[in-house]
Amino acid sequence: EIVLTQSPGTLSLSPGERATLSCRTSQSVSSTFVAWYQQKPGQAPRLLIYGASSRATGIPDRFTGSGSGTDFTLTISGLEPEDFAVYYCQQYGSSPPMYTFGQGTKLEIK
Amino acid sequence: QVQLQESGPGLVKPSGTLSLNCAVSGDSLSRSNWWSWVRQPPGKGLEWIGEIYQSGTTNYNPSLKSRVTISIDKSKNQLSLRLSSVTAADTAVYYCARDRGGYSYSYDYWGQGTLVTVSS
Repeated sequence: EIVLTQSPGTLSLSPGERATLSCRTSQSVSSTFVAWYQQKPGQAPRLLIYGASSRATGIPDRFTGSGSGTDFTLTISGLEPEDFAVYYCQQYGSSPPMYTFGQGTKLEIK
Repeated sequence: QVQLQESGPGLVKPSGTLSLNCAVSGDSLSRSNWWSWVRQPPGKGLEWIGEIYQSGTTNYNPSLKSRVTISIDKSKNQLSLRLSSVTAADTAVYYCARDRGGYSYSYDYWGQGTLVTVSS
């Protein structure tokens, strides 16, 4: 089973700043299988990025996904007040077929 | 607009069986797509439970496989989750979700989630 490790656990920034969130996998994975979600308190996760770098429908272009192999990054340029939330990375593994999530990064207002 | 709505008992006794339904509107479970269940213990992260294809093919999280059954009812356009022999560790918000499709391996629509507490 592939393990996803997100860092940092908590990121404290101010509106307008850039956020860089990391997701490291325990073994190399195809970028096709990596996604990022945003979750706010009391809400379901919201898909931001799929295929490591493709923005989901309606996602602002300040959200950028990148990476390959074992290192993947979600960058949020020019933080808006509504961006403060918990972010999860997710990967799909085929042997056995299953999805795995990282433990999350909490982005909080400084 | 695709909508998913979970329903089921909010309280289940230890050693009992958790049963949830997810009603889907705006899409058909007969289409070529995967549908999943994901759970989230209070204050913790997300855990994938399993998925089902319109053909009935299923994949489960190995850590839960012996206790999980996911099924679909195309006539009602809903999917179901059964988790047996529950303990307090199964207390969580349970979400149903739709795979985005197109080999994107991600979930674009989610239900609002339903909290299930395991307690006597």
